Amino acid sequence: QVPLVESGGGVVQPGGSRRLSCAASAFTFSSYGMHWVRQAPGKGLEWVAFVRYDGTKQYYADSVKGRFTISRDNSKNTLYLQMNSLRAEDTAVYYCAKETQLEALDAFEIWGQGTMVTVSS
Amino acid sequence: QSALTQPASVSGSPGQSITISCTGTSSDVGGYNLVSWYQQNPGKAPKLIIYEINKRPSGVSNRFSGSRSGNTASLTISGLQAEDEADYYCCSYAGSSMVFGGGTKLTVL
Repeated sequence: QVPLVESGGGVVQPGGSRRLSCAASAFTFSSYGMHWVRQAPGKGLEWVAFVRYDGTKQYYADSVKGRFTISRDNSKNTLYLQMNSLRAEDTAVYYCAKETQLEALDAFEIWGQGTMVTVSS
Repeated sequence: QSALTQPASVSGSPGQSITISCTGTSSDVGGYNLVSWYQQNPGKAPKLIIYEINKRPSGVSNRFSGSRSGNTASLTISGLQAEDEADYYCCSYAGSSMVFGGGTKLTVL
C-alpha cells in the first residue's frame, strides 16, 4: 500500500483554479497534521501549507496566502489543496506529506509521489 | 520566510565524511529544536533522514547524523557510499511556517 497518493495535477491557465487531492492509507490519517510542499522544475523545495490533524487550523506560506486553501476530510482519509488565481510561478510538482506530529510543525515523515501542475496559456 | 542557506554543492570520495551546513537565523534554525534534513534522488520524492536536529527515523543509516551550533545546523555523512549521491535539503520551523534551504548536491567522486 502506498501511504500517500496525489492527484489532480494538469495544465491550467493563468488566473485559473485547480484542486489537488491526496489519498492517505496505511496510517491513521486523522491523527496527524498534513502538509503540501512544492518543487518548481529544476528548483528546490518550498513549503506551501499545513493543516492540523482535525482540520481546525491552517498555516500558509506568504507566496500562496489568500489564494490557496488547504483542507482535509478525515472520513475519506483525504487531503486537499484548492488553488485559485494561479500564476506561472505556481508551476511545480506538488507533494503531500505527513507530519510527525498531531498539530505542531516538525518534519515531513512520509511523502507522496507528487503531482505536476503547469500554469500556462 | 527567507530560505535557509546551504552550499550549492559538496563532494567526497567513498569512505570519507562530508558535512553540509544550513545557516538560518534565531527566528528559525537557532530558535527551535525543529531542524530536519531530506535526501532527494533525481525524479523521486524527498526522504526524511534527520528530524529534530539529530534524530534518525527508523531505517535510516547511522552514517547520517545531525547537529546544530547557534544559527547553523549541519548534516554529516560518514563512510560515504556511491548511493549517497543525491540532493540534500535542510528545513526548519520558523514560527507558524516551515522554511527550506536551497539544497546541496552531493557528488561522490
